[in-house]
Amino acid sequence: GAVVSQHPSRVICKSGTSVKIECRSLDFQATTMFWYRQFPKQSLMLMATSNEGSKATYEQGVEKDKFLINHASLTLSTLTVTSAHPEDSSFYICSARGGAVYNEQFFGPGTRLTVL
Amino acid sequence: GENVEQHPSTLSVQEGDSAVIKCTYSDSASNYFPWYKQELGKRPQLIIDIRSNVGEKKDQRIAVTLNKTAKHFSLHITETQPEDSAVYFCAASQSGGYQKVTFGIGTKLQVIP
Repeated sequence: GAVVSQHPSRVICKSGTSVKIECRSLDFQATTMFWYRQFPKQSLMLMATSNEGSKATYEQGVEKDKFLINHASLTLSTLTVTSAHPEDSSFYICSARGGAVYNEQFFGPGTRLTVL
Repeated sequence: GENVEQHPSTLSVQEGDSAVIKCTYSDSASNYFPWYKQELGKRPQLIIDIRSNVGEKKDQRIAVTLNKTAKHFSLHITETQPEDSAVYFCAASQSGGYQKVTFGIGTKLQVIP
């Protein structure tokens, strides 16, 4: 299947700093990328849908000024957690769909964010 | 929007027995139903999917059934093995790369050797 990479895999930061997470589709063009947040032993909570070249669509309850999403190209989307706080600590996973892989959604390996 | 309910939340079976996970969805426009397996600390992996023009699909020990009228679909794992132990998520979506996927809450499957 198609490959989606995510970087970094793990980040620890101080409260108040900003953290950027990159999501890349390595062997296909992702017309749409999704960002999820997953708490321990819980399901994947969709944060936003990102289409290349347009503004992201955020789910209800997700602060767009807190979680900045940029989808500058068909292979790269970034999520920036601004002014991070301990409650932002979570597992963030991106996924990508599009191109020849019309329906299937391919997930990145995830980023474990810990805010001290 | 779409709402996907999944049960049970936890399931323990003896090795070799079958496991069944059931999901319901609310949006009649949904026509693509993937199932994902997620091992601890790892990314979800697609194990099987079904589209609304098909009632059943099988891949070795895994099968999925879909009842469009009742808006429910199920995952069946036969001859379970310890390596099947993981969290399984059902999901529903409309066709199209830009459509979001709504996930169920997940089922933690434990296969007891």
